[in-house]
Amino acid sequence: AQSVTQLGSHVSVSEGALVLLRCNYSSSVPPYLFWYVQYPNQGLQLLLKYTTGATLVKGINGFEAEFKKSETSFHLTKPSAHMSDAAEYFCALNTGGFKTIFGAGTRLFVKA
Amino acid sequence: DTAVSQTPKYLVTQMGNDKSIKCEQNLGHDTMYWYKQDSKKFLKIMFSYNNKELIINETVPNRFSPKSPDKAHLNLHINSLELGDSAVYFCASSQRGGVLNTEAFFGQGTRLTVV
Repeated sequence: AQSVTQLGSHVSVSEGALVLLRCNYSSSVPPYLFWYVQYPNQGLQLLLKYTTGATLVKGINGFEAEFKKSETSFHLTKPSAHMSDAAEYFCALNTGGFKTIFGAGTRLFVKA
Repeated sequence: DTAVSQTPKYLVTQMGNDKSIKCEQNLGHDTMYWYKQDSKKFLKIMFSYNNKELIINETVPNRFSPKSPDKAHLNLHINSLELGDSAVYFCASSQRGGVLNTEAFFGQGTRLTVV
């Protein structure tokens, strides 16, 4: 069965500090992986996606993620946090079926 | 232009009532979805439609009935509303649901509160 685990329901960083949001997945077939961001009272917006090819994926707003098959991980990073990055972040996977499975989400807090 | 739009944005209703949420996408996508987000932000798929045909029904109570009059619309009707139905409901669409790398585009959500 496919699953997504996000480590840490809440992450707090200072403005300008490194952001690291962790995501591990379980899949019996090669997965396609996504990171979405949800701002308060909004829908989800795609940050980046991994399909095939380069394992380091760059997304919007300076975020990037690295697919590591050996570790079954797809962690999201940003070198320098900005106040506007405060939001809920969801890791998700799709294995070719008609549904995307989401992790439980990680709330990112950014301190001034 | 809003890609995936749902109405209403907020819905407050009493237990036992019947209500509908409408969703429309103007992206020309083949696949549409309903997701439920609970108070802990957990997102769970409810239904998936591809070209107006039901593909996935994730053991949702039959009080929930989706209807897709055409591939641009997927409405959600809920009968006999219960307190536990209170949540945010998201409509989404993707170009081709069975294709691996296709991402979903989400509506703004409908916050349903049952009192």
